[in-house]
Amino acid sequence: DVKVTQSSRYLVKRTGEKVFLECVQDMDHENMFWYRQDPGLGLRLIYFSYDVKMKEKGDIPEGYSVSREKKERFSLILESASTNQTSMYLCASSLLWGGQVFGPGTRLLVL
Amino acid sequence: SQQGEEDPQALSIQEGENATMNCSYKTSINNLQWYRQNSGRGLVHLILIRSNEREKHSGRLRVTLDTSKKSSSLLITASRAADTASYFCATDERGNKLVFGAGTILRVKS
Repeated sequence: DVKVTQSSRYLVKRTGEKVFLECVQDMDHENMFWYRQDPGLGLRLIYFSYDVKMKEKGDIPEGYSVSREKKERFSLILESASTNQTSMYLCASSLLWGGQVFGPGTRLLVL
Repeated sequence: SQQGEEDPQALSIQEGENATMNCSYKTSINNLQWYRQNSGRGLVHLILIRSNEREKHSGRLRVTLDTSKKSSSLLITASRAADTASYFCATDERGNKLVFGAGTILRVKS
């Protein structure tokens, strides 16, 4: 069963902490994505990667960075977590053109 | 960022009834996709329709696409309580970076 996994379902961190969210896909997809989802704001793209070591900013990259050292793994990094980064974070992957496969999401609370 | 628009925002129906959700978008596309999201979970890809297709079926799902009106509809026939979820359309207006609609919340009462 093909899938995208995320390292945590729930995470609680303190303001100023460095936070790593990991995403792994087993479908050999070229593209990987990080979104955040907030009530009333829908899904917003943070970063996108179309190949190993390649990345592209999405709509709201400020305060985030990403790393893609291997094709199957795409990490989202919050360098210094802030309360306004409390959100649901969704990772997805896809072939070049096609539907995206989403992970189960990580609900992050920053105190 | 650009976002498609979906209507209605929320829909409540009885089990067995049909549910129709609509999506509009702004610019030309190659394909449009529909996703479902159960509460607190990730999105699940339902169906993809290409710009040269007018209608597509998958089980109880029927999707139509009208590129002249820049709109699409998702019909779920004979709905079940398990269909209760949020439904999103997404277009490739920006290539691989999908543009998601705000979603329609569907509640199916048993």
